[in-house]
Order: sequence, then C-alpha cells, then structure tokens
Amino acid sequence: DIQMTQSPSSLSASVGDAVTITCRASQGVSNCLAWFQQKPGKAPKSLIYAASILQSGVPSRFSGSVSGTDFTLTISSLQPEDFATYYCQQYYSYPFTFGPGTIVDIK
Amino acid sequence: EVQMVESGGGLAQPGGSQRLSCVGSGFRFNDYSLTWVRQAPGRRPEWLSSISGGGTVIFYADSVRGRFTISRENSKNTMYLQLNSLRVEDTAVYYCAKCRGGCSGGPQLGVEVWGQGTTVTVSS
Repeated sequence: DIQMTQSPSSLSASVGDAVTITCRASQGVSNCLAWFQQKPGKAPKSLIYAASILQSGVPSRFSGSVSGTDFTLTISSLQPEDFATYYCQQYYSYPFTFGPGTIVDIK
Repeated sequence: EVQMVESGGGLAQPGGSQRLSCVGSGFRFNDYSLTWVRQAPGRRPEWLSSISGGGTVIFYADSVRGRFTISRENSKNTMYLQLNSLRVEDTAVYYCAKCRGGCSGGPQLGVEVWGQGTTVTVSS
C-alpha cells in the first residue's frame, strides 16, 4: 500500500496569513493526489485534484503544487472559514490512502 | 446540483449485519464510479470500496474484504454497502462519494462529491 504522510500535524495561524501544508507519498502517484477540507462533524469537501486543479467553486486562495512525490497545499490568505483539518489522498492505486491530516487552528 | 445521501446507519451488535444505502442525484448515475469511505472518531478517513458505473468492476480494502459487499442499482440511482460480521472497530461514520468518471486510472479522476455520512455504531 502507498503510505501518505503530512506535515505539520497542526499549525496555528491568523486571518490573512499564508499557510502551507506538505504531503508526501511513499512511492510515485503520478499526480493522482487530492486535497480535502473537513470541519468538525461535517463530511470532507473536495478542494483540489490532480495535485493542482481547483475543484469548481473553491476559492482561488487555495492552490496545489507538486515536486516529485512531495505535494503542497497553499492557502494564500487564511480566512475565518478556512480553520479546519486538511487531508491529502492518493487515488493512483487501490487501496486509496489518506494522509493523517493537518489541523489549522486560530492563533 | 450533484448530491449524495446516505442512510441505514445505527446501532448493531458485534457479529451482526447492516445495509447502508446511498442515493445519488443531479447526474447521470450509471456513468460514474462510486466509492465508500469511513472515518472512525478522531481518525483519518479510510477508503473501503469502489464500484464502476456498470457495477462490474469492484475493489475492496483488505480490512473489509469478505465481510462487506458493495453493489449498485442504477435504475434506482442507489448504491449499497452490506456490512456483515460487524466488529467494534467498524464503528465509524460511513460516507459515500461520487467519482469524476472512474475513481482511479488518471489524475483527472478521484472523488468529487461526498455525502453527509451515516453513523454505524457496533456495540453490545
């Protein structure tokens, strides 16, 4: 199985800050990488797929990039509604696997 | 608007069974692969199973293979997950999700829309 790791596990930031979360796959996943946002008690919400394509309706302050097996989610200017947990997921091969999550909370 | 709505969760005894349903709307149901994902309290999501649009191609996670069965009834825009031989560790919120075409096979695919989830609690 492909193992996914994320860093940091949590971060504290202020409204307006730029935030970067990194996800690494244990082997190549050919850009088959998605990012999801999840708020407490809610279902995950799709943000980015194919490593860098923004899901329709997602604000442009979210962006994704890739370098080898390292993937990055960036929020350019954190908004109050962005405080949540973020997960990466590879869908290159079964079983699909998720990263452990990064909690973004208010400083 | 694309929507996925799960139902069928509740309390089950260890060793028992439960059937989850997921109704999709707002899209041509039989053109899309679908998937089930669960999330235990405080844990990351865990992919369980995916099924192709025609229902002929199916994948399972090792943790549920032989105990859970995925199926779909396209005439009713409904997907199912039959849970048998339930264990305490199967306690979780179960989500169904629609994929962008297939669930795997290329970067332009993967999970697109999630349902709101249904909670399964396994306890004696």
